[in-house]
This record gives sequence, C-alpha cells and structure tokens, in this order.
Amino acid sequence: EVQLLETGGGLVQPGGSLRLSCAASGFTFSTNVMSWVRQAPGKGPEWVSGISGRGDSTYFADSVKGRFTISRDNSKNILYLQMNSLRREDTAIYYCAKARGSHLRDFFDHWGQGALVTVSS
Amino acid sequence: DIQMTQSPSTLSASIGDRVTITCRASQSINSYLAWYQQRPGKAPKLLIYKASNLESGVPSRFSGSGSGTEFTLTVSSLQPDDFATYYCQQYDSYSPGTFGPGTKVDVK
Repeated sequence: EVQLLETGGGLVQPGGSLRLSCAASGFTFSTNVMSWVRQAPGKGPEWVSGISGRGDSTYFADSVKGRFTISRDNSKNILYLQMNSLRREDTAIYYCAKARGSHLRDFFDHWGQGALVTVSS
Repeated sequence: DIQMTQSPSTLSASIGDRVTITCRASQSINSYLAWYQQRPGKAPKLLIYKASNLESGVPSRFSGSGSGTEFTLTVSSLQPDDFATYYCQQYDSYSPGTFGPGTKVDVK
C-alpha cells in the first residue's frame, strides 16, 4: 500500500523558513516523479514543485521560483521542500503527491494527508 | 499558462441523481485531463485520468469524457459518499499543471 506522510508544517513569520518532509513507502520511490501541491483555504489545489526520480530535473511554479527548493533522498525514501522568504500568501496545506508516470508534469495517483503551513506575524 | 474553469461552482443534487460537471481549458490539452474528488479535511483522490480512464478501485458510476478544451465528469447515480468537491487538472506536457477552481456537490 502506498503511503505518504508529510511532516514539518507549522506557524512561521513572514520572511521565515520552513522545511517539509514526506516519508514514502509501498512503492519504488526512486523511479517515481514526486511533487508538492498546496491548497490555500477555500481554494483549488496549486502545483508547486516537482522532481524527477533521480533528482536531476526539477520544476517550480512561478509563485515560488527562487524561494523554494525541492530535493529527495532515495536512500531514505524521503522528499523535501525547503521554503525560504515565506509570504502570507504561502499559507496553505501542503501535500506530497506521487505522479503516475515519469513526466514532471503529470497527474497524481496518491497524496499524503497534508501539512499545514501558516505564515503570519 | 493554461487556465481551467469549471461549471457549475456548486451543484445541489439528491441520491440517485445523474450529475454532470464541466471543465474547460483555455487552450487545447488533448486528453491530458484528470478528475479528483475531495471530501472535507481529506486529500484529493484520483478518479479519472487521460480524460476518460477510470482509476482502479473507483466505482463505475463515475465516467469522464471530452478532448481538446471541453471535458465532463458524470456520476450516473449519486451515492451518499459522492457529496464532495470535484476538481479537474490539466497535465499537458508543455505547460505547468493547473487545477480548476472546483465544483461542490451538496445535498438538495
């Protein structure tokens, strides 16, 4: 059974940093594209960032480019999202999501339970 | 970027009703469209991919159709578990994947 478990969410002040982790199990982690998708309160999901199976290709939405970094540790089956220079509009539930195929832009067949990130003073 | 719209934004229905939700893309996305169901407090769940392919384990009362810029999700006979919000997502290769704003299906 595929399981994705996000940790690291919390309250942070504007301009601050936070790192999210996603522990994956139940599938061959190193062969799958992984992504972070966020959802602000009352809004639809927004694809934030994706990373190839080997970690050599990444994608970022324009809204987070230059502030967020995505990485993965295939030896530990963990996906990361480093978020710097956080803004109030980054407040959302952040989901770790497994892509079905090998393309960075793909649909998601499994999602974690989400981690709440609140940016507020 | 490709923009996605959905209609209606809210749909009131009863158990047993046939329900149809429409999703439109601002430009052609071929058949690179997925549908998700989200219940309150839960993560989205994949229902349909590549416009009309039913995800394993999803009840056959769900179906998808369309190509190009217009797509539909149909629930043939609404069940109690189906009251939820539904999102479409385009994953065209040459554009960032974007989601629609959602359609909430509630009790009439």
